[in-house]
Amino acid sequence: DAKTTQPNSMESNEEEPVHLPCNHSTISGTDYIHWYRQLPSQGPEYVIHGLTSNVNNRMASLAIAEDRKSSTLILHRATLRDAAVYYCIFFSSNTGKLIFGQGTTLQVKP
Amino acid sequence: AAGVIQSPRHLIKEKRETATLKCYPIPRHDTVYWYQQGPGQDPQFLISFYEKMQSDKGSIPDRFSAQQFSDYHSELNMSSLELGDSALYFCASSLDPTGEAFFGQGTRLTVV
Repeated sequence: DAKTTQPNSMESNEEEPVHLPCNHSTISGTDYIHWYRQLPSQGPEYVIHGLTSNVNNRMASLAIAEDRKSSTLILHRATLRDAAVYYCIFFSSNTGKLIFGQGTTLQVKP
Repeated sequence: AAGVIQSPRHLIKEKRETATLKCYPIPRHDTVYWYQQGPGQDPQFLISFYEKMQSDKGSIPDRFSAQQFSDYHSELNMSSLELGDSALYFCASSLDPTGEAFFGQGTRLTVV
């Protein structure tokens, strides 16, 4: 399975933007880039996904590099409730499965 | 809106016993995934089903089996339980062919 690489942890101040990077140099042309987040003792929660173009939704924005070898999840204004482990994941339309990597633990300071 | 329902939420079993975990996907979702998350670890993909047929398999031990029934609910059967099977087990369902999945709250299995 293709792999993603994320920093182990990041810190942010409340109400500031957060940029969470992900490298995925082995991504194939049919793999979608997904982001999920997980709060302690809860199931992962879908955040956003994309294939080639940048994407926006009510939770976040996803910026995908032109060569698709990296992407960035953007939280426009971090809140304390955004503190979680953020996973950058491939979804393969061939295999139909989501493979989690190590994730980035985001701390948000008041 | 209805979410993915998992039962039980908590389960305590002894070594060598069996356990059955149940997952009720969101109505009309045709894909179910099972994941295992050990303490301090990332979710590990176990198995998935699409339209009641197994679609992919991950690092699922031979002691585990799963199936999806005609009403689309799924069960994960675990036999000869070991201490190392203690973990959170998540089920997720999806309808979107590009992969947006919705996760349940998980079943916490403790093997003593």
